[in-house]
Amino acid sequence: AQTVTQSQPEMSVQEAETVTLSCTYDTSENNYYLFWYKQPPSRQMILVIRQEAYKQQNATENRFSVNFQKAAKSFSLKISDSQLGDTAMYFCAFMKPGAGSYQLTFGKGTKLSVIP
Amino acid sequence: DVKVTQSSRYLVKRTGEKVFLECVQDMDHENMFWYRQDPGLGLRLIYFSYDVKMKEKGDIPEGYSVSREKKERFSLILESASTNQTSMYLCASSLGPMGSYEQYFGPGTRLTVT
Repeated sequence: AQTVTQSQPEMSVQEAETVTLSCTYDTSENNYYLFWYKQPPSRQMILVIRQEAYKQQNATENRFSVNFQKAAKSFSLKISDSQLGDTAMYFCAFMKPGAGSYQLTFGKGTKLSVIP
Repeated sequence: DVKVTQSSRYLVKRTGEKVFLECVQDMDHENMFWYRQDPGLGLRLIYFSYDVKMKEKGDIPEGYSVSREKKERFSLILESASTNQTSMYLCASSLGPMGSYEQYFGPGTRLTVT
């Protein structure tokens, strides 16, 4: 079974600074997907960024980027120019695609607070 | 935009009651999921469905059942609610193998069992 570990239960960052959230996972699979989801306070969970394991290039979405280290099984999220709206719970998730099996395995989350 | 809706944002039920949580998605997604979210535990999968009338147990199915009679609707049933089922319940859907595997989430139902 796959496991996902987020070692930082809580983090804080000053507005406009850069912060990195860590995520490691354990799998014997070679083909899989990794995701970062964001859950703002009392709001809906949304996808931040996605990485396919077969792609060597790190995914980027505006101020969000990942550092995907496949051999180390590490998938960290970097948020640049942090904004107050980035305050949220962030969840790292793993998925191995397969017939009839598309479930995500989530980490326990990191609570990020952006300080004005 | 994909929209996933859940029947209630907040729900208070008594111990022993039968509870229905409903989820509807409007994008013809094949896969639907029910998660439970508790502080410090993240999201844990209760059940999922990859087709109408098909269901698979997730990591914590005990005390729950599900129903998927139509593609767009996935219901979670607590047969006899207990206080340890007080939690936030999240529904999600995804397109399947022809899509990006991204899951789209509903707003959640915060259930309190007294």
